[in-house]
Amino acid sequence: DQQVKQNSPSLSVQEGRISILNCDYTNSMFDYFLWYKKYPAEGPTFLISISSIKDKNEDGRFTVFLNKSAKHLSLHIVPSQPGDSAVYFCASNAGGTSYGKLTFGQGTILTVHP
Amino acid sequence: DTGVSQDPRHKITKRGQNVTFRCDPISEHNRLYWYRQTLGQGPEFLTYFQNEAQLEKSRLLSDRFSAERPKGSFSTLEIQRTEQGDSAMYLCASSRGHVREDYNEQFFGPGTRLTVL
Repeated sequence: DQQVKQNSPSLSVQEGRISILNCDYTNSMFDYFLWYKKYPAEGPTFLISISSIKDKNEDGRFTVFLNKSAKHLSLHIVPSQPGDSAVYFCASNAGGTSYGKLTFGQGTILTVHP
Repeated sequence: DTGVSQDPRHKITKRGQNVTFRCDPISEHNRLYWYRQTLGQGPEFLTYFQNEAQLEKSRLLSDRFSAERPKGSFSTLEIQRTEQGDSAMYLCASSRGHVREDYNEQFFGPGTRLTVL
């Protein structure tokens, strides 16, 4: 059962425009959410996170929005740069005894064109 | 801080053989995780350690899989009697383990790509 879903396998954006990556989850126990970025031949790297007590978290060009009622989160990148081209994974954590166990989505390939 | 390292980076083996992978975490991190990633999917949790204690194992970790972290430093993941379905990227990650924000921010190694012929 896919508890975290990224329904868009790929996204193409022009440099300078906004990139919006989406993620849906089904497990109502998830209360902490993260985005990771992955370049080829490298492991994923942490980008930004949000706790369920918040609905927005911002870090420079990256903003994560959380809609708990819809079980949906999104990552906004503004402005997008060619170096942002990578695979983006959303991940969730349920807390309690599952601390540290992350459940990942399938990933979205972002391509930012110059 | 040299990051998380994994060895080997690539492993090709024949079905039925045993393989062992090594992960060296960031030195001050007391938590260590193993994930498996197949093509077109995100990483899937396998197991994690806090220091030398293995705290959780996924149902994906069949009896053929065993992980250790002696002395709470490096870790090894062994797969016995490999099957073609074991072909995947095996990722190791580490984190601090004191507050939730720390252990959710996991630092990943480059992975070991296993191909079972």
